[in-house]
Amino acid sequence: AQSVTQLGSHVSVSEGALVLLRCNYSSSVPPYLFWYVQYPNQGLQLLLKYTSAATLVKGINGFEAEFKKSETSFHLTKPSAHMSDAAEYFCAVSAQGANNLFFGTGTRLTVIP
Amino acid sequence: ETGVTQSPTHLIKTRGQQVTLRCSSQSGHNTVSWYQQALGQGPQFIFQYYREEENGRGNFPPRFSGLQFPNYSSELNVNALELDDSALYLCASSLVASGSYEQYFGPGTRLTVT
Repeated sequence: AQSVTQLGSHVSVSEGALVLLRCNYSSSVPPYLFWYVQYPNQGLQLLLKYTSAATLVKGINGFEAEFKKSETSFHLTKPSAHMSDAAEYFCAVSAQGANNLFFGTGTRLTVIP
Repeated sequence: ETGVTQSPTHLIKTRGQQVTLRCSSQSGHNTVSWYQQALGQGPQFIFQYYREEENGRGNFPPRFSGLQFPNYSSELNVNALELDDSALYLCASSLVASGSYEQYFGPGTRLTVT
């Protein structure tokens, strides 16, 4: 079985500050991991994915995440927050070879000018 | 290349009624998945269709059913609506055997049950 825990339902950062959104996963098989972003009244957009290749994954809009098996973590980071980064972020896991996603409860990112 | 589209965008139904939501997959995709996103929650997997057959199901009762058509568009049907069915319903398409395991989401249908 797969599951995801996102620590912190709300995160606030100043514009230009580091963004760190935490995700820990549980999986009985090797996982694939994803981060999605959701803007108000919109669907989900894929930011990045880990599918058992490089452990440091770079995505769109300057985001990246590192897969750490020993810590069962896949935290999302961005060196410098922009106002446009304000949104809801979801971490998701699937079993390797499977095609259904298990999502966390999300983290709402607020960027303070 | 057209993205995933869903209709309608909003819908209001009464408890006990039935509803059909529609999804058009991204061009070239052969798999569609449906998710329910309750307010303040992450999406939950309902089921997936591949080549017109159900190919996996989450923890949802049988009154949630679906169809996939030869053109890979899809429907989600919910019978005997309950108040807790109020949510954003998301459709996602993907290409099995592409090796990318990426799912592309539509904008969703917001269902309100009164």
